Amino acid sequence: DIQMTQSPSSLSASVGDRVTITCRASQSIGSYLNWYQQKPGKAPNLLISGPSSLQSGVPSRFSGSGSGTDFTLTISSLQPEDFATYYCQQTYSAPRTFGQGTRVEIK
Amino acid sequence: EVQVVESGGGLVQPGRSLRLSCTASGFRFDAYAMHWVRQVPGKGLEWVSGISWNSGNIGYADSVKGRFTISRDNAKNSLYLQMDSLRPEDTAFYYCGKDGSACSLDSCYSGIEFWGQGNLVTVSS
Repeated sequence: DIQMTQSPSSLSASVGDRVTITCRASQSIGSYLNWYQQKPGKAPNLLISGPSSLQSGVPSRFSGSGSGTDFTLTISSLQPEDFATYYCQQTYSAPRTFGQGTRVEIK
Repeated sequence: EVQVVESGGGLVQPGRSLRLSCTASGFRFDAYAMHWVRQVPGKGLEWVSGISWNSGNIGYADSVKGRFTISRDNAKNSLYLQMDSLRPEDTAFYYCGKDGSACSLDSCYSGIEFWGQGNLVTVSS
């Protein structure tokens, strides 16, 4: 199975900060990588797929990049509603493993 | 409006079985792959199982392989997860999810674009 490792596991940031989350795959997964946002008590929400296609309705301050084994999710200017946990997921092969999550907290 | 609604969760004893159902509406169910994802309260997401639009491609997490069975009935717009030989570590919220495409489970650019509200399964004596 492909292992997905996110870093950091958590971070503290202020409104307006630029935030970068990384996701590393244990083997090459091409561009088959998605990013999700999850807020407490809610189901996850797909932000970006494939790994840079923004889903409809997702603000343009979110962007994704990478290929092979290394990927990044960037929030260009953190907003209050962005404080949440973020997960990457590979869709290269089943099982479609998730990263362990990155919790973005208010500084 | 796209909706996926899970049902069938609850409290079950270790070693027993439970069947989750997911009823979909607002989209052409037989055109999309579907998934089950679970989450232990306070922990991360775990992809449990997925099924292609025509049931021709099915996959499972290693943790449930041989115990869980995914299936779908396109005529009833429904997805199922038969869970046998349940263990305490299977306790989690179980989410049903609609894929963004009809893609098989491998080499897909799409993710889970619509999620249910989650259904709690508790395995305890």
